[in-house]
Amino acid sequence: GQNIDQPTEMTATEGAIVQINCTYQTSGFNGLFWYQQHAGEAPTFLSYNVLDGLEEKGRFSSFLSRSKGYSYLLLKELQMKDSASYLCAVRDRYGNKLVFGAGTILRVKS
Amino acid sequence: NAGVTQTPKFRVLKTGQSMTLLCAQDMNHEYMYWYRQDPGMGLRLIHYSVGEGTTAKGEVPDGYNVSRLKKQNFLLGLESAAPSQTSVYFCASSYRRLAGGPIEETQYFGPGTRLLVL
Repeated sequence: GQNIDQPTEMTATEGAIVQINCTYQTSGFNGLFWYQQHAGEAPTFLSYNVLDGLEEKGRFSSFLSRSKGYSYLLLKELQMKDSASYLCAVRDRYGNKLVFGAGTILRVKS
Repeated sequence: NAGVTQTPKFRVLKTGQSMTLLCAQDMNHEYMYWYRQDPGMGLRLIHYSVGEGTTAKGEVPDGYNVSRLKKQNFLLGLESAAPSQTSVYFCASSYRRLAGGPIEETQYFGPGTRLLVL
């Protein structure tokens, strides 16, 4: 079976750092994606991990531990525009499909 | 490049009516997908296609049919709409993963279609 868990909501302050966790139990693993989705809009790609470790892209970083079935997305120097839903998705063993978590709604307050 | 486009953007149906949602992409992607997104449930895969003329079922295929007659288009059909199909529908596309090639092929999403079934 496939199971991906993320916190439902988080709130953080502008300028701060926030970490959004994702745990997964899937029948196969071929990479983990993070997407950002603003209200009423389409998801957009943020990061990708297939090997253990940290991937950094500007203010955003993503970490993966395959042995623990665990990933996190780290957002630094939070801005109001970072208020959005963050989706964790695992690609299946054949590389054809993504399984998505329910998403974490992040609210950034001033 | 328009990327991934979807028509219509919004539609209201009565129970039992039928309709077709159109997805088009101009990135020459092999793979195309249809998802539905409901509050608190994330994106769920309805059907997908790994190439022209091929389709496969996803997680929640019941009540939907699809066709991929042209590489750039992926159609989602509802033969007899039900209130449970009220949702936001997203289409996505991606490159085919090549053996030994780059594997960071993200999916690109269309803007979504909001469907209300009364």
